[in-house]
Amino acid sequence: KAGVTQTPRYLIKTRGQQVTLSCSPISGHRSVSWYQQTPGQGLQFLFEYFSETQRNKGNFPGRFSGRQFSNSRSEMNVSTLELGDSALYLCASSRDRGDTEAFFGQGTRLTVV
Amino acid sequence: EDQVTQSPEALRLQEGESSSLNCSYTVSGLRGLFWYRQDPGKGPEFLFTLYSAGEEKEKERLKATLTKKESFLHITAPKPEDSATYLCAVQEQGGSYIPTFGRGTSLIVHP
Repeated sequence: KAGVTQTPRYLIKTRGQQVTLSCSPISGHRSVSWYQQTPGQGLQFLFEYFSETQRNKGNFPGRFSGRQFSNSRSEMNVSTLELGDSALYLCASSRDRGDTEAFFGQGTRLTVV
Repeated sequence: EDQVTQSPEALRLQEGESSSLNCSYTVSGLRGLFWYRQDPGKGPEFLFTLYSAGEEKEKERLKATLTKKESFLHITAPKPEDSATYLCAVQEQGGSYIPTFGRGTSLIVHP
């Protein structure tokens, strides 16, 4: 079966711009979580979505936002990009909230210049 | 204080040289402990979930074990293709379901 699909794979943006990243979970999975991964901080939790509702949010500024659609696909948006936002953004899906098996996509590599 | 600490940060092995990676955690109640493998530039690949002390799981050359305060990922007779970063994460009982990840152990296996 198809895995978690994230698009685009790579992005280069300029400071001050905004960006939207997309995540299509595994078919039948209803929970989607987003993470930011940097060499200095490791994997940091951004959001969790389930049934089109944000269930949890990590310690990130309001410039980071997201949503989930009725087909469980999810998007995250970062506005007013800063150099420090350069990172690998990862999406993970699981069948239900709290499932002990979560599957990650390949990630979107965002570079802010 | 980090809830999940992985050691060592980096490990270099010769092909065939068995070793163990450590993941210690400080959550009060454990719902699940996860191991992932991550190759450079890719997303983490799920390996195992462990739930209770004494539990063991195996996959090819990898065996994960769990005690009340730590987990070990044993790598037996590693091959160069086992080179990757291994991530550990814990999910706390009664919490938000969000796993907390360690910083990972970067493993390089030389032929």
